Amino acid sequence: GQNIDQPTEMTATEGAIVQINCTYQTSGFNGLFWYQQHAGEAPTFLSYNVLDGLEEKGRFSSFLSRSKGYSYLLLKELQMKDSASYLCAALDSNYQLIWGAGTKLIIKP
Amino acid sequence: DVKVTQSSRYLVKRTGEKVFLECVQDMDHENMFWYRQDPGLGLRLIYFSYDVKMKEKGDIPEGYSVSREKKERFSLILESASTNQTSMYLCASSPPDRPGGRGAPYEQYFGPGTRLTVT
Repeated sequence: GQNIDQPTEMTATEGAIVQINCTYQTSGFNGLFWYQQHAGEAPTFLSYNVLDGLEEKGRFSSFLSRSKGYSYLLLKELQMKDSASYLCAALDSNYQLIWGAGTKLIIKP
Repeated sequence: DVKVTQSSRYLVKRTGEKVFLECVQDMDHENMFWYRQDPGLGLRLIYFSYDVKMKEKGDIPEGYSVSREKKERFSLILESASTNQTSMYLCASSPPDRPGGRGAPYEQYFGPGTRLTVT
């Protein structure tokens, strides 16, 4: 079956770096997405990776290894406003999105 | 900026009622989606549409129907609401022009969600 795994919850300190991991098993693969969702709000698009490697976008970077079925989202210089859930989703061979349950990130001062 | 709006943020309905959830986007996107989001589960696709009057079933269409009479508006209908349909409902839209054909869900823009409670 198709599956996305990511940790349920993580805690980090303001100003630090945190890495949120995501592993996926899908029928074929057409890319991986990361979305951010603050409590009670809509998810917002962060990144899309389809090729191996690291893509940097300001304080946020996303990495993909297709051979390992693995991605991570790296957040640097953490701010309190980064407290949110981070959703990982993989696009399978039929261009259907498989969503993970999300990782709740708690930032402490 | 893309804006996706949903008709209600919070809704309380009784079992058996017919419920309409409306979604409007202002960016002329062809693709529109309805999801439900429940604690501990990933987003689950109910229906999507890649054009006016076109609709496709997602992963969990049972108990739901949709309508897309205009490009900017995509409605989700619960014909006879049940308590297991208590959930957060999220609408999203996305532009086309990507591999995968119509309805391929690339970068999606989500509405604020409707938290529906069925009692």
